[in-house]
Amino acid sequence: GQQLNQSPQSMFIQEGEDVSMNCTSSSIFNTWLWYKQDPGEGPVLLIALYKAGELTSNGRLTAQFGITRKDSFLNISASIPSDVGIYFCAGSTGANSKLTFGKGITLSVRP
Amino acid sequence: DVKVTQSSRYLVKRTGEKVFLECVQDMDHENMFWYRQDPGLGLRLIYFSYDVKMKEKGDIPEGYSVSREKKERFSLILESASTNQTSMYLCASSSPYRGNYGYTFGSGTRLTVV
Repeated sequence: GQQLNQSPQSMFIQEGEDVSMNCTSSSIFNTWLWYKQDPGEGPVLLIALYKAGELTSNGRLTAQFGITRKDSFLNISASIPSDVGIYFCAGSTGANSKLTFGKGITLSVRP
Repeated sequence: DVKVTQSSRYLVKRTGEKVFLECVQDMDHENMFWYRQDPGLGLRLIYFSYDVKMKEKGDIPEGYSVSREKKERFSLILESASTNQTSMYLCASSSPYRGNYGYTFGSGTRLTVV
């Protein structure tokens, strides 16, 4: 099945740094979602975006729904050690459509 | 606190065994999904269900079957476990009628087939 494009597979940053991740697709989506998976756990929803151009914040996290509806980015500011994990983007085309996921980016934060 | 509960966090089974992975959600969600997660491959959809007694194949259904006899429970069955089915298995649920179309995931079952 189709997957969204997330790269690189891994990112290594220093505690306190900002980090940005993006997610691209060849198809249009009506909803973009960002999930975080802590080690040994299931993914948890961080942010959902519903309109092209929308910019949404959740604490130190900011995400944007691209104007073309084919991309989204997630920014984490002032990273802390508990930000480590896998960050997945996902796209939806409608209420009862299956989500399309990216392969995820594994984030490591050096103290 | 609403949740998706997977019956086991860790499971070790022998090759050839029939394996049942259970998933229960308490959110009255219509849709339920089973994924497997392997390093570098992301989340791959095995089976999903939009209603009781309904099932649809995902991207990698071979070697698996599912059962949904009640709305809240979705079981994944490995008919004859093989070592290449060693993986992290994630169950998820969603509803098209409320919220953000996102999935709520369980904590996962790490299955090792020896």
